[in-house]
This record gives sequence, C-alpha cells and structure tokens, in this order.
Amino acid sequence: NAGVTQTPKFQVLKTGQSMTLQCAQDMNHNSMYWYRQDPGMGLRLIYYSASEGTTDKGEVPNGYNVSRLNKREFSLRLESAAPSQTSVYFCASSEVQARSYNSPLHFGNGTRLTVT
Amino acid sequence: GENVEQHPSTLSVQEGDSAVIKCTYSDSASNYFPWYKQELGKGPQLIIDIRSNVGEKKDQRIAVTLNKTAKHFSLHITETQPEDSAVYFCAAPTGAGNQFYFGTGTSLTVIP
Repeated sequence: NAGVTQTPKFQVLKTGQSMTLQCAQDMNHNSMYWYRQDPGMGLRLIYYSASEGTTDKGEVPNGYNVSRLNKREFSLRLESAAPSQTSVYFCASSEVQARSYNSPLHFGNGTRLTVT
Repeated sequence: GENVEQHPSTLSVQEGDSAVIKCTYSDSASNYFPWYKQELGKGPQLIIDIRSNVGEKKDQRIAVTLNKTAKHFSLHITETQPEDSAVYFCAAPTGAGNQFYFGTGTSLTVIP
C-alpha cells in the first residue's frame, strides 16, 4: 500500500518549457488535490477534483491545467513554465469532502520544481 | 473563502517542555480542523484532528482544543522530544467543505 505517489521527485525547467506532474493514489479515494508550497506561505490549493470526472479551480490556478485521468490518477500540467512557478508541488487525496463531512488529506512526498 | 492564520511562525522549546501553536479561521461554517506535521523532504502527515461537535481531543502527548465561538483552535504538545522537531500546519475547510486552506506553518525546534 504505497499511499500517494508523485513523479518526478525533482525537475529543472527552462522558462517556456512544459511538463506534467503525475500523481496516483491506491486508497480508493474520491477526492484529489494539487497544492504548491512556498516559503512562508503555507500550502496553497491549485486545483482539486472532488470526484472522478470533475475538476475545479483552487486559490492559485493561473498557469496550470489538470486532468483526472481515472479514480487513481490526477495530473498537473504547466504549459509554459515561468520562474514564479518554482515551488514544491504536493498531491493529496481524501476519502470524501462535503459540507456535512470532511476526511483527512493524505499527501505524497512532493515534486521539487525549479524554473530558470 | 477561508482565511487561516497561524502563530507563532517559529518556536523553540527545551526537551520536556510543552509547546502550543494557535490558529484562527474566518468561515463560521467550517466544522473540521486537522493538524499536520511535515518533516524535511516529506509531505505533511496528519497527527490529530477535531470536529466541531467536541471541544478537545487527546492522543498521548498531543491534544487539540477548539473554541468555535472565538473561531480558534490550538495544538498542544506535552513532554516534547527532539523527534517532535518539524513544521506544523493547521488547516480548515471552506463552509462548502470541498477546499482546505492551510496556515503558514510553525517551525518547532526541540532543544535536547
């Protein structure tokens, strides 16, 4: 039982290049999330998928796109990378999130991205 | 949306002392409050959580208290040990329940 697996662990891009960050979970969770973590700013939500087939913008979606490929996988794409996107990216999953009930987030170990 | 503020940003304690980290939130409809511990190079891990129908929850040396009226919740770590050194984050969901907002983190150092 691996939990949440993110690939790659490290990546260096030049400005303008594109890449896709991969995330997979093996806990049969319904909801998946992409966060970015910058020094002094905590974790900020980029996009989330409440269930298979749906995606929604979070707090900082500009410059990113996502795909919920199936229940297990949720990818994050940077179409034209910018230095401001240098960050650590975390994928997370949870069993369910709803107005009446929240369940904990389970995080992967992150992708460290540098854009030069 | 939700606004979560966390204090202090850094905290140093002697081994064996207690540590307290506080968070406030803005959305009165929020009803679930988790705390995460992040070690260097790893993703955050849930250490304790509390739902709005209780005021306190304990798990060995860790406890969380919730004051819904004042909209704040706190993490208490007693008998601190060096392995407690890490960054701790609080979080709260929006009233709609589908997004979590995080505090900016507290870097805890336990001095042996």
